[in-house]
Amino acid sequence: DTGVSQDPRHKITKRGQNVTFRCDPISEHNRLYWYRQTLGQGPEFLTYFQNEAQLEKSRLLSDRFSAERPKGSFSTLEIQRTEQGDSAMYLCASRLQGVDNSPLHFGNGTRLTVT
Amino acid sequence: GENVEQHPSTLSVQEGDSAVIKCTYSDSASNYFPWYKQELGKGPQLIIDIRSNVGEKKDQRIAVTLNKTAKHFSLHITETQPEDSAVYFCAASFSQTGANNLFFGTGTRLTVIP
Repeated sequence: DTGVSQDPRHKITKRGQNVTFRCDPISEHNRLYWYRQTLGQGPEFLTYFQNEAQLEKSRLLSDRFSAERPKGSFSTLEIQRTEQGDSAMYLCASRLQGVDNSPLHFGNGTRLTVT
Repeated sequence: GENVEQHPSTLSVQEGDSAVIKCTYSDSASNYFPWYKQELGKGPQLIIDIRSNVGEKKDQRIAVTLNKTAKHFSLHITETQPEDSAVYFCAASFSQTGANNLFFGTGTRLTVIP
């Protein structure tokens, strides 16, 4: 079972640096989601893709955040000019749209620490 | 947008006892309510879900109930075991065919005492 894969698992960066995270969804899943989770909170929706099209991005936290899914397979989430408040777990999830009751499957996340 | 509240934030039970976690939601259009279990260092894992045309769903020791009129739903775990210890999240969304943009509660840390 090749579930949702995220890389790296951990990232430590200095304030002001750019970071990029990668997500490989379950292979046949056409929808891919990015969430952020801070300590003691539930995941917070950021953006999602249907194949390569980004259908919702109004919840991205600022214009420093951007996401791509160029070929409709893997996705990247980039944070430019990182701030300490960006420290969190970034979760990727995927599902198969168009299939009844298709649940959302999460990866194990990338934990970002901004020093 | 949707607002999901979850209680309690922490719950300790003796092994073999039952555990109940409750959630309320604000958007009457929400029609899909999954529950996730998250262990340390891992992403959330779906354990059970329910759609709004169903009042109750059961899977072995886990059951979920939904009251659409009151806009609340609950997770029931019976015969708890130490491996049930984790953080549990409820979520809600509107979707015609399953999970969409999920709105999560703040989580319940369940500890099962052997």
